[in-house]
Amino acid sequence: NAGVTQTPKFRILKIGQSMTLQCAQDMNHNYMYWYRQDPGMGLKLIYYSVGAGITDKGEVPNGYNVSRSTTEDFPLRLELAAPSQTSVYFCASSSLLGNQPQHFGDGTRLSIL
Amino acid sequence: DAKTTQPNSMESNEEEPVHLPCNHSTISGTDYIHWYRQLPSQGPEYVIHGLTSNVNNRMASLAIAEDRKSSTLILHRATLRDAAVYYCILFIYNFNKFYFGSGTKLNVKP
Repeated sequence: NAGVTQTPKFRILKIGQSMTLQCAQDMNHNYMYWYRQDPGMGLKLIYYSVGAGITDKGEVPNGYNVSRSTTEDFPLRLELAAPSQTSVYFCASSSLLGNQPQHFGDGTRLSIL
Repeated sequence: DAKTTQPNSMESNEEEPVHLPCNHSTISGTDYIHWYRQLPSQGPEYVIHGLTSNVNNRMASLAIAEDRKSSTLILHRATLRDAAVYYCILFIYNFNKFYFGSGTKLNVKP
């Protein structure tokens, strides 16, 4: 009963490095989302996907890229890490857009120094 | 511009009802109201959602004002495990996106 799985749980990057945050869901959900949460704040949508091969920007997409080659996986790529990208990143999935609950992973805590 | 407005914090006694308010004055007729809660170091957890009518589930009730510009999450008997940050979220149909507010931190006293 895994739900949404995010890896890694923690990561420290140097400025300018790149990395990919992994997200996988086993509920056969069409919709997947990436959010970031800065300390003491709510979540902000980075990117979302309505199905394999289809992605769209959220509120704060700059500095990130996504791809969706399968229903199960939705990786988030940081190309040139900047200190402003220090945050907790959450992946979520849902079966319908807007009218169904989102299921969240436990997050990836990313620090960029 | 904030899509939802919530008090920063609220306090409740254990086993008493809790009413968590949310204002969403710019909501349109097709936008859904969702509530999630988040425990420390965890991802948000779904609580309840609705469109126009009041909703009940095993966790809580959602009361939606007739003009839909506000809603209230009702926890019928607060427990210590209900201490969390509660987010009132709008799904904006025209933009196909969810918008999280800053949330209300609920403290439950024994």
